[in-house]
Amino acid sequence: QKEVEQNSGPLSVPEGAIASLNCTYSDRGSQSFFWYRQYSGKSPELIMFIYSNGDKEDGRFTAQLNKASQYVSLLIRDSQPSDSATYLCAVLEYGNKLVFGAGTILRVKS
Amino acid sequence: DVKVTQSSRYLVKRTGEKVFLECVQDMDHENMFWYRQDPGLGLRLIYFSYDVKMKEKGDIPEGYSVSREKKERFSLILESASTNQTSMYLCASSPTGTGNTEAFFGQGTRLTVV
Repeated sequence: QKEVEQNSGPLSVPEGAIASLNCTYSDRGSQSFFWYRQYSGKSPELIMFIYSNGDKEDGRFTAQLNKASQYVSLLIRDSQPSDSATYLCAVLEYGNKLVFGAGTILRVKS
Repeated sequence: DVKVTQSSRYLVKRTGEKVFLECVQDMDHENMFWYRQDPGLGLRLIYFSYDVKMKEKGDIPEGYSVSREKKERFSLILESASTNQTSMYLCASSPTGTGNTEAFFGQGTRLTVV
């Protein structure tokens, strides 16, 4: 079992819709959880981080964490073509090991 | 402005060569990481370091070694480059603590081994 799993996609949504991205992790000792966005040919950049159970909202983005079920999700409201990118889920495991999933490709169609 | 700098953007090396990839950060971060990124595989952790002279193996350490003699610098070494090490290599650094321990990335090094 991979430490961090994501559906590779591509996930296609129409402009203005909600995009839902999911991630599961295996290490129960994991402390913090991150969503990074990566445009083609660029380095990843942080969108959201979350470390407490529940929801965290920042503008059009909402991160959801459920430690009991070991999953993290990212919702993007009012999706825009500029949101088209690869979204990487990252988990900070015990001992400062930062592990990434394989990423989900999101395509927002205008 | 926070910065992680990798020494080269593009490198072409021959099979069997010893290759050094350098990474420097100016944020006084404790943690530094080396990843490789291949299509469809995401970022795979090669090695990481949580302090000077300390290192931990990641998920794919075979064929690589690292060095961290100073807090700001983390080097990745390919002891004898092989064609299957052709990849994009990304360095990152992050602080230790609770809350937002965001990792910042360098611009990446595209290594081609011929």
